[in-house]
Amino acid sequence: DTAVSQTPKYLVTQMGNDKSIKCEQNLGHDTMYWYKQDSKKFLKIMFSYNNKELIINETVPNRFSPKSPDKAHLNLHINSLELGDSAVYFCASSQRDRPLKAFFGQGTRLTVV
Amino acid sequence: DQQVKQNSPSLSVQEGRISILNCDYTNSMFDYFLWYKKYPAEGPTFLISISSIKDKNEDGRFTVFLNKSAKHLSLHIVPSQPGDSAVYFCAASEYGNKLVFGAGTILRVKS
Repeated sequence: DTAVSQTPKYLVTQMGNDKSIKCEQNLGHDTMYWYKQDSKKFLKIMFSYNNKELIINETVPNRFSPKSPDKAHLNLHINSLELGDSAVYFCASSQRDRPLKAFFGQGTRLTVV
Repeated sequence: DQQVKQNSPSLSVQEGRISILNCDYTNSMFDYFLWYKKYPAEGPTFLISISSIKDKNEDGRFTVFLNKSAKHLSLHIVPSQPGDSAVYFCAASEYGNKLVFGAGTILRVKS
């Protein structure tokens, strides 16, 4: 009965590969996010979707492509992985009228070697 | 350009005493501030928030203070408990838009 779940929890891959991280929420929220926690521990927003529509797209390389098949899912696909993509990626969701109280998934630790 | 700064990477406190975590911000347009708590291998969880029209918000053992003129907020935990040991993130938002997080402060409560 996890509220926001993302898979996999750990991902180790070689440079140049393409990988996806999946996220699902069962809270009935209409807004979902991807955050990246870098080596300096800052959590930075990458994307935000509301009702499957992209509403925030920070200056993220276009190798990163979010896909929202429905309100409950927001997947992150990364092409041509680079060493600098190594980080922990968090999925989150919130209700549109309460955008700030986001619920986070457990995170996916991506290591590019 | 770190708009939200948590200058103390870590803090160690004795059980039962007060924990004070500090946060500074630079963007005067921020109108909402939050604290998130994070345990290892878990995602951040919402703890407490405060609107810029207030200077204090209390929820049980947790109190957040906001000093707008100093662009400073703090989280007080009293009494501190070992289960409070975690990373605490300060976050801010402008008009309900994206959250801007600080780098976090590791709190260790010793029993």
